Amino acid sequence: ETGVTQSPTHLIKTRGQQVTLRCSSQSGHNTVSWYQQALGQGPQFIFQYYREEENGRGNFPPRFSGLQFPNYSSELNVNALELDDSALYLCASSLDSRGSGNTIYFGEGSWLTVV
Amino acid sequence: GNSVTQMEGPVTLSEEAFLTINCTYTATGYPSLFWYVQYPGEGLQLLLKATKADDKGSNKGFEATYRKETTSFHLEKGSVQVSDSAVYFCALSLPTGGGADGLTFGKGTHLIIQP
Repeated sequence: ETGVTQSPTHLIKTRGQQVTLRCSSQSGHNTVSWYQQALGQGPQFIFQYYREEENGRGNFPPRFSGLQFPNYSSELNVNALELDDSALYLCASSLDSRGSGNTIYFGEGSWLTVV
Repeated sequence: GNSVTQMEGPVTLSEEAFLTINCTYTATGYPSLFWYVQYPGEGLQLLLKATKADDKGSNKGFEATYRKETTSFHLEKGSVQVSDSAVYFCALSLPTGGGADGLTFGKGTHLIIQP
């Protein structure tokens, strides 16, 4: 139990639609990051938010966007869904984005299927 | 760019066997290194980490040593149990940008322990 909770756990969307995934970080953690894990692959970094500002981004197009709220919870939004967006989306939280050795805690993920 | 290479799976062992899962990395700078484990249907859990050369991370009988000269972080356990069956991911994080480049993961190694 990491204290990171995500919703929904599973959802199915149609190509071209938009989706919002939600994450509550562990209590006291001010940094949230999102990862995409395709079936049989390792997670890939989408972006990170620190104190409500995006402060790092992986190789994902602008249709992947996010928000972090004052209580440090977060949303991942994906517009114009494509079939290849089908994956497990993982949210992770940590105490501070400054420092590569900080322990990052993951939620159980949201399974997105695009048909 | 940064990358992590793990041995391909699945790796099938008998209970009480010795386990080694190889992990090598390529990085610009001096990364922190991690092993995460993913049990079926669950999110990622941090297994162990090491933040500088020659550090040894250990947890639940697993250990890994940060070898800068060979750019490796191999995971070992002296006697595996059926409950160790899971997917294991090696990952790195760089201090550049305050860790805001996220974790870079390997593709994962599926470990199957037979009674």
